[in-house]
Amino acid sequence: SQKIEQNSEALNIQEGKTATLTCNYTNYSPAYLQWYRQDPGRGPVFLLLIRENEKEKRKERLKVTFDTTLKQSLFHITASQPADSATYLCAFNDYKLSFGAGTTVTVRA
Amino acid sequence: EAQVTQNPRYLITVTGKKLTVTCSQNMNHEYMSWYRQDPGLGLRQIYYSMNVEVTDKGDVPEGYKVSRKEKRNFPLILESPSPNQTSLYFCASSSGQGAQGNQPQHFGDGTRLSIL
Repeated sequence: SQKIEQNSEALNIQEGKTATLTCNYTNYSPAYLQWYRQDPGRGPVFLLLIRENEKEKRKERLKVTFDTTLKQSLFHITASQPADSATYLCAFNDYKLSFGAGTTVTVRA
Repeated sequence: EAQVTQNPRYLITVTGKKLTVTCSQNMNHEYMSWYRQDPGLGLRQIYYSMNVEVTDKGDVPEGYKVSRKEKRNFPLILESPSPNQTSLYFCASSSGQGAQGNQPQHFGDGTRLSIL
């Protein structure tokens, strides 16, 4: 069955640095990959969607890449701020949307 | 304001006492789904619905029921809750081809269920 892994449970970084999160998938070739942000006690909030024919997508300080050869997506938060502290989830589709377990990012002031 | 509303937000109950968690969306979305979130396991889909009267099992459907009689509502029913159903539950909706992954999911704020 398809599998999606975010290979870091937690990431602690200094304010102003770039956070890089990794999402790997196996046994499937998704046409789309999505990233969400989740704050404690809240539902996930959609951030970005990238298609398989798009290598990179940006939204303000966020950047997502999608490498179908490596079966991997990278999520970057540039010039990170304490307000970026949250759990970030990746997800991809087959007949349904499958989510990774998430990476919790803590940005230190 | 576009939103997905779940009720209740918190519930503590006992084994075997039937309960329903309601979910309503005001965006006229076709696709709705229920997830449970457990530490280390991430979001796992319980059931989903492509449209009114069309529902199907997700990854972990055992012990749950759903119905989709109206487009805006998608209640989750636990006929005989057990302690292993203690979890954080999320309802989500998306337009059109949500199941194909090309549409963002809109999530409610969650329902924390404790089954004693």
